Amino acid sequence: EAQVTQNPRYLITVTGKKLTVTCSQNMNHEYMSWYRQDPGLGLRQIYYSMNVEVTDKGDVPEGYKVSRKEKRNFPLILESPSPNQTSLYFCASSLGKGRDEQYFGPGTRLTVT
Amino acid sequence: AQSVTQLGSHVSVSEGALVLLRCNYSSSVPPYLFWYVQYPNQGLQLLLKYTTGATLVKGINGFEAEFKKSETSFHLTKPSAHMSDAAEYFCAVTKTLAAGNKLTFGGGTRVLVKP
Repeated sequence: EAQVTQNPRYLITVTGKKLTVTCSQNMNHEYMSWYRQDPGLGLRQIYYSMNVEVTDKGDVPEGYKVSRKEKRNFPLILESPSPNQTSLYFCASSLGKGRDEQYFGPGTRLTVT
Repeated sequence: AQSVTQLGSHVSVSEGALVLLRCNYSSSVPPYLFWYVQYPNQGLQLLLKYTTGATLVKGINGFEAEFKKSETSFHLTKPSAHMSDAAEYFCAVTKTLAAGNKLTFGGGTRVLVKP
């Protein structure tokens, strides 16, 4: 089954404790992206990647890191999480053209206390 | 910079009534336009999209949207609401830039369907 998987689905952590949210897709997609969803703000893009070793900032990259060492994986790293990073996070992938549909993972709900 | 405005963060409709969700965008060039739906505790899935060609686009579950360039709008409609349509709906626009795809979402509209 074609899908985007994220782990963990739920995470409660404390300020400053490094964490990684994994994202994997099995569709051989070139393009992957991370979004955060906050009430009333829709989804905002954090980082995206056009291919292996090619990443770039989205609208809200501060406090986040990403890497794309393999085509299928695109982990999101929070080196020192803060309470304002409490949010619902989605990973997505697509074939790579602007007209292409993005396929979303199920989401990771992160709470930073 | 492109932006997307969805009028109304919450919409309540009766079962069987028309569903109308409004979306306006600002973009310096004609964009690609999308509607995504998010059911409770799930990720987003594509309802429909406009890329080129016919301006009236049909999607899944009986939804359709019309691209009106002169009004910079891409409103979503469904003639008769069903209880299963209760969800949050997001309008999005994307442009392909040299550095990659820029996808911008509206703030979302949550639809409540009353029996």
